[in-house]
Amino acid sequence: DTGVSQNPRHKITKRGQNVTFRCDPISEHNRLYWYRQTLGQGPEFLTYFQNEAQLEKSRLLSDRFSAERPKGSFSTLEIQRTEQGDSAMYLCASSYLSGSNEQFFGPGTRLTVL
Amino acid sequence: AQSVTQPDIHITVSEGASLELRCNYSYGATPYLFWYVQSPGQGLQLLLKYFSGDTLVQGIKGFEAEFKRSQSSFNLRKPSVHWSDAAEYFCAVGAREYGNKLVFGAGTILRVKS
Repeated sequence: DTGVSQNPRHKITKRGQNVTFRCDPISEHNRLYWYRQTLGQGPEFLTYFQNEAQLEKSRLLSDRFSAERPKGSFSTLEIQRTEQGDSAMYLCASSYLSGSNEQFFGPGTRLTVL
Repeated sequence: AQSVTQPDIHITVSEGASLELRCNYSYGATPYLFWYVQSPGQGLQLLLKYFSGDTLVQGIKGFEAEFKRSQSSFNLRKPSVHWSDAAEYFCAVGAREYGNKLVFGAGTILRVKS
């Protein structure tokens, strides 16, 4: 399977705990994006990387959120001290930096904070 | 600010009937335009995209969309809907000037009745 993969697919945690999600992009893609989708809404941009460099962070990404892409391949998104408002689907997408920059999405990680 | 409006939250059509989903955008740069489809609990699948050239674009599953710059619209159409088309549809815009991050509409849920 050469698509974008995300793990875990589902995560249930208690408020105040830390969680980490992983995204494995399509291997030749050098751009990686994170989005968050809440119920009844479209995805909202969080951050993106070009290779290992984090080029932009949305104001939605509070200081409890951190993302890394240490070797320019997989990426992790960590949420510290989770809050109930963090409950959402977290989507990862990757693309190749050329032309249209078409993004391919993974299946997402659904986070539930109790 | 960039924004995408999908004015219809829900649409119900009969199987075999034609479909049009509306999308209007406000964007400060020459946009790339996309339509994605999402089945419950799943990631996003690209239906079609517009970057330049012919304003009528063909996509997968028999979908097409027309870019109308004067109306800032990118409506999705299908001449004959199948029951398997029931899903949520998202219009999105991006631009190279903004790192190609996507701005999504709130989505339109399509129901197909037999």
